[in-house]
Amino acid sequence: SQTIHQWPATLVQPVGSPLSLECTVEGTSNPNLYWYRQAAGRGLQLLFYSIGIDQISSEVPQNLSASRPQDRQFILSSKKLLLSDSGFYLCAWSVPGSSYEQYFGPGTRLTVT
Amino acid sequence: GDSVTQMEGPVTLSEEAFLTINCTYTATGYPSLFWYVQYPGEGLQLLLKATKADDKGSNKGFEATYRKETTSFHLEKGSVQVSDSAVYFCAHYQGGSEKLVFGKGTKLTVNP
Repeated sequence: SQTIHQWPATLVQPVGSPLSLECTVEGTSNPNLYWYRQAAGRGLQLLFYSIGIDQISSEVPQNLSASRPQDRQFILSSKKLLLSDSGFYLCAWSVPGSSYEQYFGPGTRLTVT
Repeated sequence: GDSVTQMEGPVTLSEEAFLTINCTYTATGYPSLFWYVQYPGEGLQLLLKATKADDKGSNKGFEATYRKETTSFHLEKGSVQVSDSAVYFCAHYQGGSEKLVFGKGTKLTVNP
């Protein structure tokens, strides 16, 4: 069966510090991968999605970036965090060309202080 | 453009009450439709789905019917439990994009 992991689970970082969040999917090949952000009390915002290694689309201009160094690994990064980067970050995967449902990881709670 | 509109909460019900959360969508064609549930501090879980018109998705006592005439996919449950307290998201597949379009979420609180 397929599983999706995210780490760390929680993170507290000062403004201006770098960020690296990791997402890994097991039990499937060539998944579509997604990064979402959920600000407190708000809905989901799609940040990046990837249909393959080195194929990453950015949905929202910001100080975040994403990379996919391996088929089932998706990394969200920032060189300098802003207070507004605080939120709940969710990684998800889907099977390309299927019925299109996405499967979500447990999330990372990021607090920028 | 594509969008999903769902009733804004919060919704507060007593245990065993009937639940309806409305969801309508704007999209090209007849996209697959989904309901996701998010329990506090967790990621989203797929609750149910429907892939074509008139399909009924069901799971854990929840149901939703794909109505193409009204472009709706309302979530219903006949008797809610305290454990159903969560945020519910309606979503549809955005054709040709490999992406889902989500509603803003509806927070449900069920009191004993």
